[in-house]
Amino acid sequence: DGGITQSPKYLFRKEGQNVTLSCEQNLNHDAMYWYRQDPGQGLRLIYYSQIVNDFQKGDIAEGYSVSREKKESFPLTVTSAQKNPTAFYLCASKRGYEQYFGPGTRLTVT
Amino acid sequence: AQKVTQAQTEISVVEKEDVTLDCVYETRDTTYYLFWYKQPPSGELVFLIRRNSFDEQNEISGRYSWNFQKSTSSFNFTITASQVVDSAVYFCALSEYLDRDDKIIFGKGTRLHILP
Repeated sequence: DGGITQSPKYLFRKEGQNVTLSCEQNLNHDAMYWYRQDPGQGLRLIYYSQIVNDFQKGDIAEGYSVSREKKESFPLTVTSAQKNPTAFYLCASKRGYEQYFGPGTRLTVT
Repeated sequence: AQKVTQAQTEISVVEKEDVTLDCVYETRDTTYYLFWYKQPPSGELVFLIRRNSFDEQNEISGRYSWNFQKSTSSFNFTITASQVVDSAVYFCALSEYLDRDDKIIFGKGTRLHILP
């Protein structure tokens, strides 16, 4: 089945640790996106990539890093510099003007 | 700058009632796309509809209908005869044709509670 997978669904980390969230797609889409969702805040764009080996900062990139070494994969690293990392993270890929979303990863940092 | 406003943060209605979710957008582009997404409690976003700026025809899909009015920059979503399964957060979103980054800008969402 074609789609986007994010793993794990729930992730717990101690403050000060870096953590990497996985996002894989087999839709052959060029563009991929990472969003953060906080209660009442909607979806905010963290990073996006339109092609392999290239990516751009979104509206809230501070404290995050990404890589795009393969078309299928767009992992997001939440670094210790991110002040409020606890949130729901959604990965998406795009075809034309329609975005397909993964199931999300809920990250809790204590 | 592009912007999407969903003024209703939370709505509760009794099952079988009709409910309308409001969406107002701002854009300088003459060519743009509008979207609605549903986010059930599981968290995954489900695509509902896409409408381009040149097509102002209203759309109906089963119990769902959308009213696009360029004159008021609105793209409202109505659920007829609501059901408990419609309970979710609904997002309106906008994408501009001239945005080379192909970004989709989301509103803050409306949480809809359908009470049995």
